[in-house]
Amino acid sequence: GQNIDQPTEMTATEGAIVQINCTYQTSGFNGLFWYQQHAGEAPTFLSYNVLDGLEEKGRFSSFLSRSKGYSYLLLKELQMKDSASYLCAVRDRGGSYIPTFGRGTSLIVHP
Amino acid sequence: DADVTQTPRNRITKTGKRIMLECSQTKGHDRMYWYRQDPGLGLRLIYYSFDVKDINKGEISDGYSVSRQAQAKFSLSLESAIPNQTALYFCATSGGISNQPQHFGDGTRLSIL
Repeated sequence: GQNIDQPTEMTATEGAIVQINCTYQTSGFNGLFWYQQHAGEAPTFLSYNVLDGLEEKGRFSSFLSRSKGYSYLLLKELQMKDSASYLCAVRDRGGSYIPTFGRGTSLIVHP
Repeated sequence: DADVTQTPRNRITKTGKRIMLECSQTKGHDRMYWYRQDPGLGLRLIYYSFDVKDINKGEISDGYSVSRQAQAKFSLSLESAIPNQTALYFCATSGGISNQPQHFGDGTRLSIL
């Protein structure tokens, strides 16, 4: 099984930078996904990391350290529309390679 | 048009009723999944299917059944609904390549009274 931990809630100011952390324990790591989910809507894919390091996509970046069982999602130049839940999902070599989701971090961006 | 379509979008029903939630996709993916989402608990896997003849239980399959009618269709049934099955249900699909993400439908909000 897997143990995935994310903060429940974070708040930040419009225009600022926020880092959302995800720690995990798994027996055979095989990739980590980040999704964004607005209230009442479907999760949408943001990023995928399988090797150590930083993946950058516009205002969003995701970092992975496999040795530490740690990832973060970095959101720059925050906008009000970034208020959403951010889901970390970890895949391992067991469980038919299906990602297991953390409980999500609710981000509130205020003016 | 949405790539992954769930019907109905909302449903209110009574304890003991049989309910079917349907999912269809136009992405051409072989892999399909059903999840439920409860406040504070995240997404939990109910059932998944890697092709038409393949059905597998997920983390929380008790009280649910599924049918994969075609590559594009995967339905979830609650044989005798109970109030603690009240939740937001998502269907998802994915391709077979390891780095491909899941694509989710818009969800079905199910309330059981």
